[in-house]
Amino acid sequence: GAVVSQHPSRVICKSGTSVKIECRSLDFQATTMFWYRQFPKQSLMLMATSNEGSKATYEQGVEKDKFLINHASLTLSTLTVTSAHPEDSSFYICSARPPDRGNTYEQYFGPGTRLTVT
Amino acid sequence: RKEVEQDPGPFNVPEGATVAFNCTYSNSASQSFFWYRQDCRKEPKLLMSVYSSGNEDGRFTAQLNRASQYISLLIRDSKLSDSATYLCVVNRPGYGGATNKLIFGTGTLLAVQP
Repeated sequence: GAVVSQHPSRVICKSGTSVKIECRSLDFQATTMFWYRQFPKQSLMLMATSNEGSKATYEQGVEKDKFLINHASLTLSTLTVTSAHPEDSSFYICSARPPDRGNTYEQYFGPGTRLTVT
Repeated sequence: RKEVEQDPGPFNVPEGATVAFNCTYSNSASQSFFWYRQDCRKEPKLLMSVYSSGNEDGRFTAQLNRASQYISLLIRDSKLSDSATYLCVVNRPGYGGATNKLIFGTGTLLAVQP
């Protein structure tokens, strides 16, 4: 199956700093990528939808100025958590959708990034 | 009301048991339905799609009731390796050029005991 990677897999940062997470589709071009956040014992919550070459669309309640998303190429999307706070500590997961599949919902998930803000 | 609702469990069952999970969704325009499996601290992985006529994949059977907006997953002859969280997933259609999206339920935790 298609492979999606995330980097880093785990990161610990200090409160007030920024952290960048990368999501790459390794063997296909992804016109659309999604960013999810998962708190302990909760489900995946969609944060934003990222389309290559355009601005990301954020879900209600997600601060676009705090969670900066860039999808500059068909194989890479980045999520930057700016001015991180301990409450931003979570499991961040990206997924990628191959092109020409707008009528299906096939998505391939990355392995996730565990962020801990101290 | 949440878009996708599930009983969080946990469901503790002995090996060999049959267990059923239920899920309801609120968006009547949803057209695609899935069950994903998520192991602890891992990403979710597609277990199976759910079709209107119901479908089976080995020990797993999925059912959909559109009128009641209800989805189920039945696992027969449970194995220790089935222990995981099972996520009910429903698409949210995109309108006016918006991207269609997958919405996840909170998941049901299954623990199969030896």
